Amino acid sequence: DADVTQTPRNRITKTGKRIMLECSQTKGHDRMYWYRQDPGLGLRLIYYSFDVKDINKGEISDGYSVSRQAQAKFSLSLESAIPNQTALYFCATSRGAPANYGYTFGSGTRLTVV
Amino acid sequence: QQPVQSPQAVILREGEDAVINCSSSKALYSVHWYRQKHGEAPVFLMILLKGGEQKGHDKISASFNEKKQQSSLYLTASQLSYSGTYFCGTEGPNAGGTSYGKLTFGQGTILTVHP
Repeated sequence: DADVTQTPRNRITKTGKRIMLECSQTKGHDRMYWYRQDPGLGLRLIYYSFDVKDINKGEISDGYSVSRQAQAKFSLSLESAIPNQTALYFCATSRGAPANYGYTFGSGTRLTVV
Repeated sequence: QQPVQSPQAVILREGEDAVINCSSSKALYSVHWYRQKHGEAPVFLMILLKGGEQKGHDKISASFNEKKQQSSLYLTASQLSYSGTYFCGTEGPNAGGTSYGKLTFGQGTILTVHP
């Protein structure tokens, strides 16, 4: 089984729908992150969490919300999906500061909003 | 603000060398390098810390110039398996001068190695 699991792998949804992307990890890492990837723009940070009670906005948090249900689970919600939220979404984890250990990424969720 | 990578794309033949650059407008605490194969997750390659040494493994190495806020990734004698998109991730220092805790990624450099 993968260390960092994202579900679903692919999702097509309609404009205005609420959708949740889930991330779970078995690595025991305390830090978790959500990034979105768009062609030519690299990976941009949406939200991050250093522990269950510590959640922070990233560069592009508008239109998104998150929930850290447990150390191992970090969910990303789109309250009312819009077409420009079509992207590849990655969850990442880190044991302590990324400067020491780097990120482990999940396999990604490809989201299409029509 | 995102670091800027150059070039945007590189095409090589097996055995040739390549250099990918990453430049930031802000002071840096660490620089990370990741490689992403098409349709897959980015995979960690290495970290360079402020004040640290040049890193490397096998034929991939990197340097970090703190004063210029730049890092370079060196791929020597490239192999077909080196193809993919390379990202640098940068992290600024916090008020205490240590890890801020989150990475900002460049836009990526597409590396294609042909036989």
